Amino acid sequence: DADVTQTPRNRITKTGKRIMLECSQTKGHDRMYWYRQDPGLGLRLIYYSFDVKDINKGEISDGYSVSRQAQAKFSLSLESAIPNQTALYFCATGQGHYYEQFFGPGTRLTVL
Amino acid sequence: EDKVVQSPLSLVVHEGDTVTLNCSYEVTNFRSLLWYKQEKKAPTFLFMLTSSGIEKKSGRLSSILDKKELFSILNITATQTGDSAIYLCAVVSDNYGQNFVFGPGTRLSVLP
Repeated sequence: DADVTQTPRNRITKTGKRIMLECSQTKGHDRMYWYRQDPGLGLRLIYYSFDVKDINKGEISDGYSVSRQAQAKFSLSLESAIPNQTALYFCATGQGHYYEQFFGPGTRLTVL
Repeated sequence: EDKVVQSPLSLVVHEGDTVTLNCSYEVTNFRSLLWYKQEKKAPTFLFMLTSSGIEKKSGRLSSILDKKELFSILNITATQTGDSAIYLCAVVSDNYGQNFVFGPGTRLSVLP
């Protein structure tokens, strides 16, 4: 079984809808991250969390919110989806002071 | 604003060629530089570099960091079709609190 899982893997939705992307990990890591990837722009950080009570905005947090329900679960919500939020979304985990991150398989989100 | 630049953005070579991928950065407080390989979906970790001049090596891949000139290179010798992927460079900066700034990636295509 994969250490970092994301659901759904693909989602098509309409402008204005609320969407939740979920991430779960079995690695026991304390740090979790949400990124989006757009062609030519690389990965950009949306939110990150260093533990259940710690949530931090990243570079592009506007239009997104997150919830760290447990050490193993980190959800990303789009309150009112818009077309320019169409992208590939990755969840990643990390542990303590080690910088290596472990990525989930990604969720491809299309907003029509 | 923290920035990571990669070049070239795209590269096509033939099997057996040697390639050099470049990553330069401008960050407020450098901690570490990481290289990832992204084939189908999720990026996978290759190297982490924190000290100048110390080469990291794994098989046909090697990487080195120059903290004075603010760049790193990733070398791949005797390329194979399986090396075809996007190679991502990321810098850890504590501007946001140990978050990661990714470059746009270099898309490498290795032809048989």
